[in-house]
Amino acid sequence: GAGVSQSPRYKVAKRGQDVALRCDPISGHVSLFWYQQALGQGPEFLTYFQNEAQLDKSGLPSDRFFAERPEGSVSTLKIQRTQQEDSAVYLCASSLGSGGRGSTYEQYFGPGTRLTVT
Amino acid sequence: GNSVTQMEGPVTLSEEAFLTINCTYTATGYPSLFWYVQYPGEGLQLLLKATKADDKGSNKGFEATYRKETTSFHLEKGSVQVSDSAVYFCALISSGNNRLAFGKGNQVVVIP
Repeated sequence: GAGVSQSPRYKVAKRGQDVALRCDPISGHVSLFWYQQALGQGPEFLTYFQNEAQLDKSGLPSDRFFAERPEGSVSTLKIQRTQQEDSAVYLCASSLGSGGRGSTYEQYFGPGTRLTVT
Repeated sequence: GNSVTQMEGPVTLSEEAFLTINCTYTATGYPSLFWYVQYPGEGLQLLLKATKADDKGSNKGFEATYRKETTSFHLEKGSVQVSDSAVYFCALISSGNNRLAFGKGNQVVVIP
């Protein structure tokens, strides 16, 4: 079946522009995560949804970052007034279930969107 | 807070050599531990996991043992192939939490 898909795969934005990154999770997956991966680093957590509820947004680096999942499936990560430090690969992951421990449910990752801010 | 530390630098080795990538962690409670792999041009994939102390995760010839006493989860493979060339990330999820915390990753290059 289809995995997690993300679009666009590549995005170049001029500093100050707004961007919107889309994630289509695996159908039926309850949990959805966004991570940011800077060059040469491991992914860093941004935010987490359980269905349409955003349960954790503690990793969002500033109030320019906003994420939504209004119908509990597709999610959009929006970055307003982009800055050069926002250049990174943005990864989306989904998992079948949820739960405090999280260990039972594998997170499946999409290919990422590479954002370059010039 | 939770953190994962991987050994510095890329790893270059010859085909059929023994591979070890070190990983140590700091976490509250009893985390679950993971190794993810990213092949060139592909997304992150789960390679193996262990959910409690002394558990051994294994897959595709790779193994890692959850060592609580040394807070480590080192990845090993006895005989690597060119197709194992990829970036390997150690990660954890702590109790009461869903988010993955990743190490910086190690690029592994296997030369024929």
